[in-house]
Amino acid sequence: NAGVTQTPKFRILKIGQSMTLQCAQDMNHNYMYWYRQDPGMGLKLIYYSVGAGITDKGEVPNGYNVSRSTTEDFPLRLELAAPSQTSVYFCASSMLGQGGNSPLHFGNGTRLTVT
Amino acid sequence: DQQVKQNSPSLSVQEGRISILNCDYTNSMFDYFLWYKKYPAEGPTFLISISSIKDKNEDGRFTVFLNKSAKHLSLHIVPSQPGDSAVYFCAASARSGAGSYQLTFGKGTKLSVIP
Repeated sequence: NAGVTQTPKFRILKIGQSMTLQCAQDMNHNYMYWYRQDPGMGLKLIYYSVGAGITDKGEVPNGYNVSRSTTEDFPLRLELAAPSQTSVYFCASSMLGQGGNSPLHFGNGTRLTVT
Repeated sequence: DQQVKQNSPSLSVQEGRISILNCDYTNSMFDYFLWYKKYPAEGPTFLISISSIKDKNEDGRFTVFLNKSAKHLSLHIVPSQPGDSAVYFCAASARSGAGSYQLTFGKGTKLSVIP
């Protein structure tokens, strides 16, 4: 059981380039999330999805886009990369929403550097 | 405005002794509290949670205590083992205005268990 799989593990981008961070889960979870973690900080929610075809903004959505065409996949798109987007990105999924006793299952992260 | 605060960035404990990780919060609407554990180069993994209607939850060596009047919770690890060395994130959930839940993370505490 792979859980949540993120690719790539590492990436270096030049300012202005674009890329897509891939995320796939095999637990048939409806809810999926993208977080970023900056050094010494907690996780901040970028976007989330409550099911295929439905996405919504989180706390820090600017500079990102998402899509959810299937239950399994939730890619995160960075357009016009900026140094402020240097961070570690985590994808997560859950059976229910973020509330209550519905723990998130995280992938191992993508470390992105924008120079 | 940090709604979930982990004021100790790091903590060192001898193997076999008790580790106590603290977390303070400001939002009285939080209804569930969760602890996640994170090893380097991996995603966070769920450890233990507690509902706001309880004051204690125990799972093996891990116990979480909640003091609602003080808006404080703590994670106790007894006895501490070298494999417990990780970053521990406190998180809290509350229902947002749109009816969905929002999860807020603290900045984390790095625990080092010394053999």
